[in-house]
Amino acid sequence: GNSVTQMEGPVTLSEEAFLTINCTYTATGYPSLFWYVQYPGEGLQLLLKATKADDKGSNKGFEATYRKETTSFHLEKGSVQVSDSAVYFCALTYGYRQAGTALIFGKGTTLSVSS
Amino acid sequence: KAGVTQTPRYLIKTRGQQVTLSCSPISGHRSVSWYQQTPGQGLQFLFEYFSETQRNKGNFPGRFSGRQFSNSRSEMNVSTLELGDSALYLCASSSPTGEYEQYFGPGTRLTVT
Repeated sequence: GNSVTQMEGPVTLSEEAFLTINCTYTATGYPSLFWYVQYPGEGLQLLLKATKADDKGSNKGFEATYRKETTSFHLEKGSVQVSDSAVYFCALTYGYRQAGTALIFGKGTTLSVSS
Repeated sequence: KAGVTQTPRYLIKTRGQQVTLSCSPISGHRSVSWYQQTPGQGLQFLFEYFSETQRNKGNFPGRFSGRQFSNSRSEMNVSTLELGDSALYLCASSSPTGEYEQYFGPGTRLTVT
């Protein structure tokens, strides 16, 4: 079946450090890929997306590239801030209009950034 | 544009009771999906409604049900509550013209005692 695997956390970094959170997926065909972020006590916010191979999604300094050959969508940021502390979820969907757009999520990676 | 709203934000119920949660999507969005988030199982898809019809369903027992109204607002109902139903229930809406991205509400925290 379709699934998403994320590196287990927590990830603890100092401010201005480089961030990588690994995400790989198992799926047939060509899913769309997403990164969502969840701050304490809140719902999920869409961080970035990519809908086809080699697409690069980017937002707020975060980037991820859809790599079909390695079935990966790793999240990166060049310089993290304390305010980036949150839980990050990698997700996929096929988005078939007839069958619906259910998201399949990874387990989430907790990021803690200290000053 | 207002975001997805969910009511109530917090709920405490007793085993055996039933509960109804409400979700109002972003204006213009016709698809509403529901997810359950627990520490053990993570985020799991419950069901999706589009134009008042359920078009996708996750692997949950029949105690979990939902519906969507003509104004796209959605409700989910859980009957005969069990302790394991304690979770954060998240609602998400998506645009019919968007690239399948979903926008989430703040969630309803349900505690079953």
